[in-house]
Amino acid sequence: EAQVTQNPRYLITVTGKKLTVTCSQNMNHEYMSWYRQDPGLGLRQIYYSMNVEVTDKGDVPEGYKVSRKEKRNFPLILESPSPNQTSLYFCASRTWDRATDTQYFGPGTRLTVL
Amino acid sequence: RKEVEQDPGPFNVPEGATVAFNCTYSNSASQSFFWYRQDCRKEPKLLMSVYSSGNEDGRFTAQLNRASQYISLLIRDSKLSDSATYLCVVIEGTGGFKTIFGAGTRLFVKA
Repeated sequence: EAQVTQNPRYLITVTGKKLTVTCSQNMNHEYMSWYRQDPGLGLRQIYYSMNVEVTDKGDVPEGYKVSRKEKRNFPLILESPSPNQTSLYFCASRTWDRATDTQYFGPGTRLTVL
Repeated sequence: RKEVEQDPGPFNVPEGATVAFNCTYSNSASQSFFWYRQDCRKEPKLLMSVYSSGNEDGRFTAQLNRASQYISLLIRDSKLSDSATYLCVVIEGTGGFKTIFGAGTRLFVKA
């Protein structure tokens, strides 16, 4: 079954404690992306990757890091989380060669930073 | 000005009504356009792509006007199951495939 998986699905942590949210896709997609969703603001792109070892900033990259060492995985790293990073996070993937392809989203990770 | 703007919601309509969503985007170099549907904080799912020639999928019709930088979605004969948030999505091609989401418009269809 084609899917994007994220872990953990729910996380409560404290300010400053480094965390990683994993994202994995089994569709051999080149393009992967991270978004955060906040009430009234919609989804905002944090980082995206067009292929292995190729990443670029989205609209709200501050406070986040990503890596793309393998095609299937695109982890999101918060080195020193702060309360303003409390949000619902979605990972997504799609093929790179045609902009019209649909994005497949993971189920979301609800993060609370105390 | 936001890069992608949608009608503020929510829209409350009776079953069987026709409802129209509007969306404008600011970057004239934008390449691709979509409508996504999101249920109750679940992951967004593609509803349909949007083309200048217009496209129709059953009760849903999407239209793009590049000159006005305007995208629309029309839902005819609305069903209870259409209740959701509808997201306008624009992909910018300059220098990469940056994806911009509108804030979404909430639709409530009532019996």
